[in-house]
Amino acid sequence: GNSVTQMEGPVTLSEEAFLTINCTYTATGYPSLFWYVQYPGEGLQLLLKATKADDKGSNKGFEATYRKETTSFHLEKGSVQVSDSAVYFCALRPNTGTASKLTFGTGTRLQVTL
Amino acid sequence: DTGVSQDPRHKITKRGQNVTFRCDPISEHNRLYWYRQTLGQGPEFLTYFQNEAQLEKSRLLSDRFSAERPKGSFSTLEIQRTEQGDSAMYLCASSLASTVSNTGELFFGEGSRLTVL
Repeated sequence: GNSVTQMEGPVTLSEEAFLTINCTYTATGYPSLFWYVQYPGEGLQLLLKATKADDKGSNKGFEATYRKETTSFHLEKGSVQVSDSAVYFCALRPNTGTASKLTFGTGTRLQVTL
Repeated sequence: DTGVSQDPRHKITKRGQNVTFRCDPISEHNRLYWYRQTLGQGPEFLTYFQNEAQLEKSRLLSDRFSAERPKGSFSTLEIQRTEQGDSAMYLCASSLASTVSNTGELFFGEGSRLTVL
């Protein structure tokens, strides 16, 4: 079946540090890949996505590249801010059918300090 | 604000009681999803509707769970004879699906947290 594995948190960084959150997946075919973010007290919201191999998703300074050869979709940001403190979820959507039945990773909590 | 809204935000109940959660999706969205999230885990798919039709149910959805979307707008998720293992955050999400574009993006509500004592 489909699965997503992401690095365990919490990840604690100082402001302006470089961020990497690893995500690897198992799926048949070519799934679409997503990063969702959950800020404290809010619902999950889409951060970025990529729908095919070598696509790079980007938003708010975050980037992730769909790597088919390593089945990975690592999230990166060059300089984090305190406001980036949140829980980040990697997810995949199978390429069969049209429904958004997402398979999520367990989430990685990021804490950014001054 | 016209995002996805869920009610109640938190429900505490005793084992064996029935509970019902309501979700109001973004008004123009024709698809509505229910997910469940337990502590330390990511959300898990339960079921989804296209308009009023329930098109798929996960094996996680036991026969004590029932979901409806009677007029293709809001949805309810009822849990009968609750068990302590039902304690979780129940998330509702909606999306707009069309033959022209289907980005796969879901818009989530803030969730309804269930605590079964």
